[in-house]
Amino acid sequence: KAGVTQTPRYLIKTRGQQVTLSCSPISGHRSVSWYQQTPGQGLQFLFEYFSETQRNKGNFPGRFSGRQFSNSRSEMNVSTLELGDSALYLCASSTGTNPYEQYFGPGTRLTVT
Amino acid sequence: AQTVTQSQPEMSVQEAETVTLSCTYDTSESDYYLFWYKQPPSRQMILVIRQEAYKQQNATENRFSVNFQKAAKSFSLKISDSQLGDAAMYFCAYQETSGSRLTFGEGTQLTVNP
Repeated sequence: KAGVTQTPRYLIKTRGQQVTLSCSPISGHRSVSWYQQTPGQGLQFLFEYFSETQRNKGNFPGRFSGRQFSNSRSEMNVSTLELGDSALYLCASSTGTNPYEQYFGPGTRLTVT
Repeated sequence: AQTVTQSQPEMSVQEAETVTLSCTYDTSESDYYLFWYKQPPSRQMILVIRQEAYKQQNATENRFSVNFQKAAKSFSLKISDSQLGDAAMYFCAYQETSGSRLTFGEGTQLTVNP
């Protein structure tokens, strides 16, 4: 089975712009979760989508949003980018049922200048 | 809220030796999952091992094993016969049984010396 894929792998944006990141889960997986990784805050949970519905949400401002499509692919959008949004964004997929073993993609490195 | 603490920012081990990484967590739940993930320089997070809280038996995956002490809320990872490829950042993570959200510790950077 192919693993989790994320596109693009690297991205450079300017403050105030918006960005969309994409994640394709492992075939058959219905849950996609997003995490932000920074040197200062570590790994933080953004949100989880399961069967096209947001099932869980972390403590991030409304500028961070996501969605999931019928084929389980997910996109994450960040609007009005700030310098502090520079991070590695990781996507993880799971079957969506217990146990929720998550398998991660290679990440998208976002740099905001 | 659940918290996960890894008190060892860095550890080193000689090739072929054994090393133990520590993790403690705080939760009021009685059932949950605990994981160890490995993040090599490529930044790809790799699942190493999983432990269900309701199981008393410690999980084992080849050279990797855990010491799960539920009452003490401790979950350490033992790597036996360390290999150069084990060098990575290791994260301990907690997960409730109700959903996928993982709460991660700060990580332990493991160096393997030849």
